[in-house]
Amino acid sequence: GAGVSQSPSNKVTEKGKDVELRCDPISGHTALYWYRQSLGQGLEFLIYFQGNSAPDKSGLPSDRFSAERTGGSVSTLTIQRTQQEDSAVYLCASSYRDRGYEQYFGPGTRLTVT
Amino acid sequence: KNEVEQSPQNLTAQEGEFITINCSYSVGISALHWLQQHPGGGIVSLFMLSSGKKKHGRLIATINIQEKHSSLHITASHPRDSAVYICAVRSPWETSGSRLTFGEGTQLTVNP
Repeated sequence: GAGVSQSPSNKVTEKGKDVELRCDPISGHTALYWYRQSLGQGLEFLIYFQGNSAPDKSGLPSDRFSAERTGGSVSTLTIQRTQQEDSAVYLCASSYRDRGYEQYFGPGTRLTVT
Repeated sequence: KNEVEQSPQNLTAQEGEFITINCSYSVGISALHWLQQHPGGGIVSLFMLSSGKKKHGRLIATINIQEKHSSLHITASHPRDSAVYICAVRSPWETSGSRLTFGEGTQLTVNP
C-alpha cells in the first residue's frame, strides 16, 4: 500500500515568509510525528499527534512553529516568519498506534531559508 | 552528554566484513529502534525491540536492558549497506507521547 507522503519535497523561501509543510500518513495510522534533521545534526522530535488526544508539542523550538492534524489524517506543519536556522529536512512519520508499533517515515521536505 | 550515544561515528569496512554498531542510552525506555538512512535521505525502520535479539536477513539487533546498551550487527557486509544507521529510543509508555530520541548516527561505508 501507499507509504507516508510529504509535500513539497523541496521548498526554498525567503527569510520572514511563512511556509506550510504537508504530511499524508498511511491510511489507518492514528499516530503521527514530525521530526527535524538539521544539516550535520541528528534528528529531533517536534510534535506528536495520537487520535483525538491533545498533541504533544514539547519539541517545537519556538512559537513560530505550529501543526494541525485535520480529521485524524493529514497534518500540516506551519513555520511563521522563517529564519535561516529553520533550514532543515522536516520528516513526518506515522504508526498504527502509539504503543508497540513501528514508525514509518515519509521522504521528508527539504526547507531552505535564504 | 546526549541521552543516546552511538559508536563509532564513522565506519569503513571491506565487503564481506562483519560490522557492529553500538548504542548506549541513559534514560528509561519502552523500546529501541534501529533506523537506516540512505544518501537520498529516506529513513527505513530496521528493527524495533524491547528485549533480547531480532534477526532479519543479514542484520541482527540485540538489546541489554540492564546495561542500557544495544548493538546492530551486519554479517557479510555489502556496498549497498552503505548508509547512516541511527539508534533511537522511545520514551516509556506511561509518559505522554511516544517520542523518539535519536543518536547522532553512524556513517557506514562498505567498499567493494
